[in-house]
Formats: sequence, C-alpha cells, structure tokens
Amino acid sequence: ETGVTQTPRHLVMGMTNKKSLKCEQHLGHNAMYWYKQSAKKPLELMFVYSLEERVENNSVPSRFSPECPNSSHLFLHLHTLQPEDSALYLCASSQSTGLAGPSYEQYFGPGTRLTVT
Amino acid sequence: AQKVTQAQTEISVVEKEDVTLDCVYETRDTTYYLFWYKQPPSGELVFLIRRNSFDEQNEISGRYSWNFQKSTSSFNFTITASQVVDSAVYFCALKTDSWGKLQFGAGTQVVVTP
Repeated sequence: ETGVTQTPRHLVMGMTNKKSLKCEQHLGHNAMYWYKQSAKKPLELMFVYSLEERVENNSVPSRFSPECPNSSHLFLHLHTLQPEDSALYLCASSQSTGLAGPSYEQYFGPGTRLTVT
Repeated sequence: AQKVTQAQTEISVVEKEDVTLDCVYETRDTTYYLFWYKQPPSGELVFLIRRNSFDEQNEISGRYSWNFQKSTSSFNFTITASQVVDSAVYFCALKTDSWGKLQFGAGTQVVVTP
C-alpha cells in the first residue's frame, strides 16, 4: 500500500464514547500532522510530530490526545467530544527538516469524517 | 503574522474554459514556501506545486500554470481548458516556520460543467 492511509473513513460517536483515529504513512517520512477541517472554516493544524516528538500543539482541547509510536503511525485518541468537534480529520506526512533546510510538501490521507451526536 | 487570502469562494465555468484562482499572502519572513493543493469530493488533499520565495519563475505543468509575483504577494493558479475532473476545492498555503506548519487559505470551489 502506498501514500497515507487513514482509518476509519467514517465515524459516528456519542459524546461519552472513546475512540481512536489511525493514520499510517508508507512514504518513509519522519514528520506527521493532524488537521481539522470544519465546514466553512480553513484547515486548522492540530498537532505536529517530528521524529516521533511532538513539536506543535496548536491550542487543541485535551479531549484530543495524539500518539506517535513510530515515524509511520499516528493516532488521535478522542474522548468526551462535543458536537462542534464534528469535522473531517486529515492526517499528513512529510520529510522533517528541523530548523533549517528546504521545506518539503505534505502528503495527505483521505481523512476521517467524524460525527459527534 | 502569516495570512493567506483566497478571495474567490466559488468559480463556475463551462468545460474548456480557462479558470484562474487568486492567492494573496502576507508574511514578514524573507524565506517562505507557497503551495497549492486540490481537494476533490473524495476529501483527500492532493499536492500540486511548491514554490520557494527565491524562485519567481512561473511554472507550467500540463494544463496547470502558476504565476508567482513577489511584488504583489500573489501566487495565482490557472487551469487551461478546464475539464469536469478539475471540479474540486483548491487551497493555497504558506509555510514560514521550521516545523511544517501550513497556513491555508479558505479555498476556492471550482465547478466545471460539461
């Protein structure tokens, strides 16, 4: 399998549930990202992992908890979500260049469409 | 602060017409990168092009072309002879920091009808 894959593609959960989103990249990259895309809002970066270390947490509520066990896998653990968290959650990966060097493009997965009821 | 503005919310064209998508960016950094992505109805963002701030050469790739003008802080995208498969939301994005944070514009929905 190639590129960036995400599972599940669709998820409906109640506000008291706990679920996890999974992302896997097959591109040999060492940086991974979670984005949230809501209707009528620009894409919002949530978390950045570079070399398995979290380097950015963009003021995301604690009900979203990321995990990056290795450079190929990224999870987003969800608990006690709110209806306004319903959105498309996109995972991306890229080469990480640290503090210097060229900026590589990010490759995105197909997303998980999350509905919180 | 970084900002990307895509003023066109939606553009509708008939197949074979050309369509130009505008992107205006703001940054105080001298080194930065600009990107265009396509998001078809399936949801996946597809990378189209990357341009760094020191390379103002325009680029053509098939029916796609990009016009980068630092003087006006614009990075416009033209689809020539549009096709129905070009129907998608197109995002312009700016990157200035080290850790890959992309600042996306709001996107432009392109609708191509036969």
